[in-house]
Amino acid sequence: DIVMTQSPDSLAVSLGERATINCKSSQSVLYSFNNKNYLAWYQQKPGQPPKLLIYWASTRESGVPDRFSGSGSGTDFTLTISSLQAEDVAVYYCHQYYSIPVTFGQGTRLEIK
Amino acid sequence: QVQLEQSGAEEKKPGASVKVSCKTSGYTFTDHAIHWVRQAPGQSLEWMGRINTGTGNRDYLQKFQGRVTITSDTSARTVYMELSSLRSEDTAVYYCARDRGQQLLPWGLGTLVTVSS
Repeated sequence: DIVMTQSPDSLAVSLGERATINCKSSQSVLYSFNNKNYLAWYQQKPGQPPKLLIYWASTRESGVPDRFSGSGSGTDFTLTISSLQAEDVAVYYCHQYYSIPVTFGQGTRLEIK
Repeated sequence: QVQLEQSGAEEKKPGASVKVSCKTSGYTFTDHAIHWVRQAPGQSLEWMGRINTGTGNRDYLQKFQGRVTITSDTSARTVYMELSSLRSEDTAVYYCARDRGQQLLPWGLGTLVTVSS
């Protein structure tokens, strides 16, 4: 199974500042056939299901603010929030869908400093 | 729009079974697989399995093999997840989610299953 490891486990950032969350997979999730990284990012707020933010490592889901961006390839990925807003307080998960079983990172809790 | 409506919260005794339903609407049922993911209190997300609603093919996480069964009823547009031999560690919120080109979108609101003697 592919193990997804996020860092840090928690993060406190001031409003308007940049937040960066990292995710490392135990093996590459880049499919050479189509040159796509099978990596997504989800946001989860208390009492709610996860919400898809980013897929194919860098494609923003429809309706997601453009302050959210994803980057990386192979085994190392980053979710960046360019200017933190109060409503971005949540837990963020990376998710690989390269192979079954699909797996998730342990989550990164993002708070306001 | 695409919606996944899950059944209500359950309380079960250790050793019992639970069956959670996920009723879908807003898309062609047999075009998209349905996954089940659970989340224990304060924990991350754990994939349990999926069903191809077109073919009926299923995949399960190995740790649940023999304990979990995912089924679907095309006429009812509903997918079911049954977990047997429940133990306290199975206390969690159970989510269904539609497979959209391999991403999971949307998700149901979740069903809390509490296992306690």
